[in-house]
Amino acid sequence: NAGVMQNPRHLVRRRGQEARLRCSPMKGHSHVYWYRQLPEEGLKFMVYLQKENIIDESGMPKERFSAEFPKEGPSILRIQQVVRGDSAAYFCASSALRGDTQYFGPGTRLTVL
Amino acid sequence: GESVGLHLPTLSVQEGDNSIINCAYSNSASDYFIWYKQESGKGPQFIIDIRSNMDKRQGQRVTVLLNKTVKHLSLQIAATQPGDSAVYFCAESGGAAGNKLTFGGGTRVLVKP
Repeated sequence: NAGVMQNPRHLVRRRGQEARLRCSPMKGHSHVYWYRQLPEEGLKFMVYLQKENIIDESGMPKERFSAEFPKEGPSILRIQQVVRGDSAAYFCASSALRGDTQYFGPGTRLTVL
Repeated sequence: GESVGLHLPTLSVQEGDNSIINCAYSNSASDYFIWYKQESGKGPQFIIDIRSNMDKRQGQRVTVLLNKTVKHLSLQIAATQPGDSAVYFCAESGGAAGNKLTFGGGTRVLVKP
């Protein structure tokens, strides 16, 4: 009974490169959420998606960040032209239904050099 | 504005004692509250949740109390064990915030043997 899976677990990028973070929700879950966590801080909401739809992107920076959850395959959080301030842990969560408990993956730790 | 905060950033507890972690929230429209436990290098782990139509909910060794009058949430851990050492976050959702979770800053619990 696999939980939420994220890969890679650690990602190192140089400034200006692209970062792609992947999230596979729990089996049977069709709602995916992305959060960002800076060291010693709580998680901050970024985006909420259902299959092929972005439901709420109120926490996404207006530039360089995008997310998708295609009909087939994992959800992708994409960061273009990364800057040092993008260094953080990025967590994905999933739920079975809207408003249900969100279960989190292990996170991807992005380091921008 | 919407915010969830914690009164105590660090809590030291003797093994076997009970722990109480407090959380204040400001969004009176929130109707769903969750406690997560996060160990170093891992994703948040669901502990227990409560909806606004309840004021108390019990799990295994944990109890969550909700006081909507003063917008206060607490997590009680009975007979604290070394494995309980972690950072604990409260989170809330609902109202205008919709499905996204708003997290507090976290309380670090250190269990002394």
